[in-house]
Parts: sequence; C-alpha cells; structure tokens
Amino acid sequence: QKEVEQDPGPLSVPEGAIVSLNCTYSNSAFQYFMWYRQYSRKGPELLMYTYSSGNKEDGRFTAQVDKSSKYISLFIRDSQPSDSATYLCAMKGRSGGSNYKLTFGKGTLLTVNP
Amino acid sequence: EAGVTQFPSHSVIEKGQTVTLRCDPISGHDNLYWYRRVMGKEIKFLLHFVKESKQDESGMPNNRFLAERTGGTYSTLKVQPAELEDSGVYFCASSHEGYGIDEQFFGPGTRLTVL
Repeated sequence: QKEVEQDPGPLSVPEGAIVSLNCTYSNSAFQYFMWYRQYSRKGPELLMYTYSSGNKEDGRFTAQVDKSSKYISLFIRDSQPSDSATYLCAMKGRSGGSNYKLTFGKGTLLTVNP
Repeated sequence: EAGVTQFPSHSVIEKGQTVTLRCDPISGHDNLYWYRRVMGKEIKFLLHFVKESKQDESGMPNNRFLAERTGGTYSTLKVQPAELEDSGVYFCASSHEGYGIDEQFFGPGTRLTVL
C-alpha cells in the first residue's frame, strides 16, 4: 500500500467552478500536510500547509485535514484558468527521520476552461 | 533573490554513460534535498544534506548514484553508469531550518533521458 494516494485525474472544469482535490494516506506519523502547485516545466511551489487536523483558508483556497480518516482535501472556489496546473499533496512527520523528507501523492492535473 | 537553480534543464545520454546534475540552493539555506519523479510515479525523496553532511540518503536507488555538496553550497548528483530506469525528472529543493513546516523551495528540475 502506498503511503499517499492521490487520483491523478485529469480533471477539467469550467471557469468559476468549485474544485475539490483530495488525498488519502496510511502513515499515522504524518503531522504536516501540504499542497503544492506545479506548472508545466516548473518545480512544485508550496500553496498551503496545515499542521495536524483542521481547516485553513487563504483567499479562494481552503485546505482540510481529517486525521481520523487519514484524508486531506484542497478546495478551490471560483476557479480561474490561471489555476490550471498539477496539484500535489505532500506530507511529513514531526520527529525523527520523517520530519524533513516530503512524501508526495502522484498529483492531480487540473484544467480550468474559460 | 534568486530561487533554486538546476543545471542542465534537460540531458539526453546513452545507457552506460555518466551524467552530473547540479543544484544551487537559495543562499543561506543549510538544507538541500534531492527528489526524483519517474514517469507515471510520484515524486520521491532521494537524500538530504545539512550543510555539507549527508543527513539521510535512504532514498538513493543504488550505488550508481553519488551526491556531493562541497563546502555546503551547491550540490551535484552523479549517475554512473546510467541505466534506462534512471530516466525521469530530478528536482532539487532547499530550506532554511529543515524541521517543522519549514518550506522546501524547489528548482525547476533536470529532465534526464537515458536511451
């Protein structure tokens, strides 16, 4: 079983739609949950992070973590064509050998159509 | 301030040849990481430097891969001899603290193709 599972899509939505992206994980040691955005031919760029459980909102983006279900989500409201990219979830632990290396999902390719 | 830079952006080599990838982290970042994405798979951790010391190289695939970080500045990743399965995109990242939420800043990657 992979440590992090993410549906690779692709996902295509019209402009203005609400987008829901999610990942599941199996490692209970994960404490930091991140969403990276990667444009074509670029490196991943941190979009949002959450420590432990809960919600975090930043503009049109909301990240949710449910540790009891080992499930994390990213919601994008009022999606824009500029949001078209690959979205990767990433996680890491809090201590020991897992507190620095990121474990990624495969990434979901999102296209927002004008 | 310049971000993480990687060179070359793309390399095409024959099986059995040697290739060296270079990464220049953000100035002042003690932590440097190498990751790799093989086609169709997720990005996977290869190793972690703190300054010039290897903190963890548990993700290195085999002894054909050698990473160095001279003087705690730039890093190189050498593949010798290259095999077909080494094809992929190699990302370098750097961060300041290394622990907690310390953001890892990624370079654009080096796309390696082994023929």
